[in-house]
Amino acid sequence: DAGITQSPRYKITETGRQVTLMCHQTWSHSYMFWYRQDLGHGLRLIYYSAAADITDKGEVPDGYVVSRSKTENFPLTLESATRSQTSVYFCASTGVGKNTEAFFGQGTRLTVV
Amino acid sequence: AQTVTQSQPEMSVQEAETVTLSCTYDTSESDYYLFWYKQPPSRQMILVIRQEAYKQQNATENRFSVNFQKAAKSFSLKISDSQLGDAAMYFCAYRSLYNYGQNFVFGPGTRLSVLP
Repeated sequence: DAGITQSPRYKITETGRQVTLMCHQTWSHSYMFWYRQDLGHGLRLIYYSAAADITDKGEVPDGYVVSRSKTENFPLTLESATRSQTSVYFCASTGVGKNTEAFFGQGTRLTVV
Repeated sequence: AQTVTQSQPEMSVQEAETVTLSCTYDTSESDYYLFWYKQPPSRQMILVIRQEAYKQQNATENRFSVNFQKAAKSFSLKISDSQLGDAAMYFCAYRSLYNYGQNFVFGPGTRLSVLP
């Protein structure tokens, strides 16, 4: 199916465990982003990628790692999950055109217990 | 860095009435894009409307329109003839054209309730 998909949609994990959230897009968009959504903060940028093998930190990168070996995939890894990382995570992509909006995945609700 | 502010955490409107959601932003750039996204309970982020900063004409999409005041750095969303399906979280977003890493800076959101 065309679009941007995230998996899993829901995840419960224990403190200290490593967790990877997956993101896949079919448009060949150059830019991909990971946001976390918390009440009162809107969406905050964790990491972004301008192309395969090019990634950079956003506003709240601590405790997260990303990779982008292929244009279509942009996984987000929590190396050692903490309770403060309980959140809803959104992956997004956009093209290089000036007028293109961000296209979002369905989100992943992550709970760290 | 750009910032986006939405000063109304919650708003309500009677069905069929009109409501305006406020958004202000801070930037030193002269060219950029502004967006309003809707997030219903399904969590899906849905684009409502977009505005190009170099266009003076306010964007309109059916019942949704914006009041873009570039000098005041204000970008409000007006919803006319409100419907029950308009109930959602609304996010204002700023897109830099010069710093792609800071694309889509979002405000904290406004939760809109529509009363029957």
